[in-house]
Amino acid sequence: DAGITQSPRHKVTETGTPVTLRCHQTENHRYMYWYRQDPGHGLRLIHYSYGVKDTDKGEVSDGYSVSRSKTEDFLLTLESATSSQTSVYFCAISRGPERRTQYFGPGTRLLVL
Amino acid sequence: KNEVEQSPQNLTAQEGEFITINCSYSVGISALHWLQQHPGGGIVSLFMLSSGKKKHGRLIATINIQEKHSSLHITASHPRDSAVYICAVPNYGGSQGNLIFGKGTKLSVKP
Repeated sequence: DAGITQSPRHKVTETGTPVTLRCHQTENHRYMYWYRQDPGHGLRLIHYSYGVKDTDKGEVSDGYSVSRSKTEDFLLTLESATSSQTSVYFCAISRGPERRTQYFGPGTRLLVL
Repeated sequence: KNEVEQSPQNLTAQEGEFITINCSYSVGISALHWLQQHPGGGIVSLFMLSSGKKKHGRLIATINIQEKHSSLHITASHPRDSAVYICAVPNYGGSQGNLIFGKGTKLSVKP
């Protein structure tokens, strides 16, 4: 357990509305990640952060933005939600030798109607 | 970009059977990860291995770096082993800890 929480755990929203998901960690890890998981696909990286205010895009970053103003919080924002963003979103941190092992939060189920 | 292929996609076994799940990747790596996703959705890291074999209880993971292939074995399978097993390898050289994930193998163990 790497002390990772996500909020909300479930959310239903309408197309066009902004949505922010929060990932919170208690162990001061530098690297944090946001993934989405969809049927028929592996976990896909949306954005990651390597420190406060240091973020970079992953392979499926279109339509998403992130912010990290504190070490413990990594926020994922859908500026204008679309039905294609219905998914399960996982936050993760990496730790261990060379930051190789990732630990995941419990996930957020998002339904965009 | 590394490509990761897992097989089989779905696997049904009887309790007690020996299980093998395979993972192949396209680009040489420094380490490979096996993860387990429970039916409730939680994802846990099982193994990280760079060479040879690792064992944890009834789970054994092997890797052949030259052949770019890894296997996850479960001995004496039990219904509580029912889960999705995911293989992952580093991306972009792994310097940021970024991983590429396989699509997973869904295992169902019947009593």
